[in-house]
Amino acid sequence: DSGVTQTPKHLITATGQRVTLRCSPRSGDLSVYWYQQSLDQGLQFLIQYYNGEERAKGNILERFSAQQFPDLHSELNLSSLELGDSALYFCASSVRQGAPDTQYFGPGTRLTVL
Amino acid sequence: AQSVTQLGSHVSVSEGALVLLRCNYSSSVPPYLFWYVQYPNQGLQLLLKYTSAATLVKGINGFEAEFKKSETSFHLTKPSAHMSDAAEYFCAVSEWDNQGGKLIFGQGTELSVKP
Repeated sequence: DSGVTQTPKHLITATGQRVTLRCSPRSGDLSVYWYQQSLDQGLQFLIQYYNGEERAKGNILERFSAQQFPDLHSELNLSSLELGDSALYFCASSVRQGAPDTQYFGPGTRLTVL
Repeated sequence: AQSVTQLGSHVSVSEGALVLLRCNYSSSVPPYLFWYVQYPNQGLQLLLKYTSAATLVKGINGFEAEFKKSETSFHLTKPSAHMSDAAEYFCAVSEWDNQGGKLIFGQGTELSVKP
């Protein structure tokens, strides 16, 4: 158990809908990262927050957005969902932000868009 | 931009045999490198990381990796495979600037262990 929690574990929804994925980092960790894992794209970085501020952005679609709240939990919002958005979404956290810092991963949310 | 390449999407070994999973990196700066393992229906767990302190890095579950700058490699090894080692393994490099950063992952190598 990494100490990172994600809810829900599974999510099944229809095209065009909007969903919110939630992540609670390890106690004391200030940085949160979101990654998407799919069969065709592999593990791709989406976005990073540090202490409530957006710090790095990857190939995140405009239909996707995220935020980190004052209690440091984070939410990833996916809207106008398409079939291709079906994937495993991971949240990770680290104590600080820096190249050598270990990122601890949550169990993931499996999103299925029908 | 930095990148990692994992050679072999699938590796199969017999129980008790040597495990060797290959990872090559590309980086314009001294890299920070990681190996993660993913068991079925679980998140990623850190096996070990290289942060320039020592070229031979020991990790959990008997795994180790050696950083070789001349070969731009960071291969993962374990002397004797166990059935419980069957999983997917990811090599990653850390990419940062003064604002923030991320891990860049290889495509993964699925390890099968035969009895």
